[in-house]
Amino acid sequence: DAMVIQNPRYQVTQFGKPVTLSCSQTLNHNVMYWYQQKSSQAPKLLFHYYDKDFNNEADTPDNFQSRRPNTSFCFLDIRSPGLGDAAMYLCATSRDGQFQGNQPQHFGDGTRLSIL
Amino acid sequence: GDSVTQMEGPVTLSEEAFLTINCTYTATGYPSLFWYVQYPGEGLQLLLKATKADDKGSNKGFEATYRKETTSFHLEKGSVQVSDSAVYFCALSENGANSKLTFGKGITLSVRP
Repeated sequence: DAMVIQNPRYQVTQFGKPVTLSCSQTLNHNVMYWYQQKSSQAPKLLFHYYDKDFNNEADTPDNFQSRRPNTSFCFLDIRSPGLGDAAMYLCATSRDGQFQGNQPQHFGDGTRLSIL
Repeated sequence: GDSVTQMEGPVTLSEEAFLTINCTYTATGYPSLFWYVQYPGEGLQLLLKATKADDKGSNKGFEATYRKETTSFHLEKGSVQVSDSAVYFCALSENGANSKLTFGKGITLSVRP
């Protein structure tokens, strides 16, 4: 089945040690999103790519960056993780169109990041 | 700006009980409305959606009707099952390029046998 795949499901890193989370999709969607979700909270959008155009949310820390080398893959880089960055990170995709807003987002199962 | 308000939780029901989860929204434009469900340890899954007033979205026995006059999109199910235990998020998205989802806080539903 076409889907959004996130690897790994669980990631442990050390305080201050760079970490990269990956996302791939077989849906051929133009738009890819990264969300941070902390316990018992709604997902918080960090940034998204519309094709190759990067759109950063105003309150996303500089510590978080992203790369999208091609349509299928997108990476989340955390340059110097702090304890407050421990969370579930969700990748999502959607199909573009004239009325993009009515296209649902398709989510991966997430990567749970722990910081030691 | 846009916002979504969900009723406070958590909600605990017995199997086969009737479910209503309230959701109201504020939007500058004419948004599309969604319900997403998140099972433990998983990502979000689209449960249903509605893109214009009076549309009814339905899936797996769940229903929600887009009520523009009351700016609401309440989720209902006539008979819940233990397998419906999850977190439910109401969300909206404005139409247009680069639109983004605005989520409510989510509500945890627990269904006991």
